[in-house]
Formats: sequence, C-alpha cells, structure tokens
Amino acid sequence: EVQLVESGGGLVKPGGSLRLSCAASGFTFSHAWMIWVRQAPGKGLEWVGRIKSKAEGGTTDYAAPVKGRFIISRDDSENTLYLQMNSLKAEDTAVYYCQFTNHAPAFVDYWGQGTLVTVSS
Amino acid sequence: DIVMTQSPDSLAVSLGERATINCKSSQSVLYSSDNKNYLAWYQQKPGQPPKLLIYWASTRESGVPDRFSGSGSGTDFTLTISSLQAEDVAVYYCHQYYTTQWTFGQGTKLEIK
Repeated sequence: EVQLVESGGGLVKPGGSLRLSCAASGFTFSHAWMIWVRQAPGKGLEWVGRIKSKAEGGTTDYAAPVKGRFIISRDDSENTLYLQMNSLKAEDTAVYYCQFTNHAPAFVDYWGQGTLVTVSS
Repeated sequence: DIVMTQSPDSLAVSLGERATINCKSSQSVLYSSDNKNYLAWYQQKPGQPPKLLIYWASTRESGVPDRFSGSGSGTDFTLTISSLQAEDVAVYYCHQYYTTQWTFGQGTKLEIK
C-alpha cells in the first residue's frame, strides 16, 4: 500500500525557514517523480514543484512564486522527500501536500494528508 | 506557464441532474507525439487531499463511478457528472501536466440545489 506522510509543518515568522519531509513507502521511491502541492486556507490547489528520479537526472522544477526560495530534494536511501523553504512570506501559509504520480506505463496518483505551514509574526 | 481557467466558479445542481464543469487552457495540452491530452480532473472534499477522477482528459481512474466522464481536446475540456449524487458535493479542479510547470485551475465548487 502506498503511503505518503508529511511532517515538519508549524508556525514560523516571516523571513524564516522551515524544512518539510515526506516519508514514502509502498512503491519504488528511487524511480519516482515526486511533487509538492500547496493549498492556502480556503483557496485552490497550487503546484509548488517537482523532482525527477536520479536516473532521469534528479532535476527540479518550481512554480514562479517559490523559485529561488524553495528547494526540493530527496534521499532515496531513506525514501524521503524534502521541501526546504527559505525567506518565508505570509502568502506561503498553506497546507503542503506531497504527491507521487507516474504516467507510464500505468497512471498512478497518490497524495499525503498534508502538513500545515503558518507564516505569521 | 499554462493558465487553466475553469467555469463556473460555483455550481448548484439538483440531485439526479447533470453537472458540467468546463476548463480552458491558455495553450494546447495535446502532445502530438502520442496524441494524448495532458489533462486531469480532481475532486476534493473538505479536510481531504485531492482525489484523481480522470486522466488523459477522458480516462476514468479505477474505482471512480461511471457517472463521471471527461471530454475535450487541445484547450477546451469538460467534466460531466451525469446524475448528481449527494456524495459528489466537492470542489473540482482541472490540472495540466503538459509543461515542466504543472498548473491547476482555480476550482469549481459543486453544491446541491
């Protein structure tokens, strides 16, 4: 059974940093493209970024609002995905979801339950 | 970035009636090499993560009731619920995974009339 469990959320002051983790199990993590999606309170879904598998270069892509401030990384030995968030702003307040999706050979899609990040003084 | 625009923002439909949600992308999400539309639909209920309903614009995810269907190609897409059930009350999102920066529509809130 695929499981994705986010942790590390909490209250942080503007300008501060926070690192989120996503512990994955039930699939071959090292082969997976992993994604972070966030949702501000009462708002819609916003794609944050993605990291490819190391076999495909391990490269990352980010949404414009977080590019240069957020860093996605992975530890395949620990089956864990990370989101390092720096220079946090009030508008980064959101539930952050970890997502595993694969489009070939079969389309699969799994989400964690999310972790809440609140940026406030 | 591709901008995904859904309409309407909210929708109230009677039980047993049809619900239709539209999604328009700012550029085509049809990949010519495989002739697939890189477009998915998600359902989200309060306090829950999104649930995949449809991918490749029209392929229903396993376990999703057949009253849910997706259609469209290129830049214009539709999610249809043929006979609304009480458990379908949720927010629905379209999502493109065509470009390196994936994006979501703003969401459509579906309620019972």
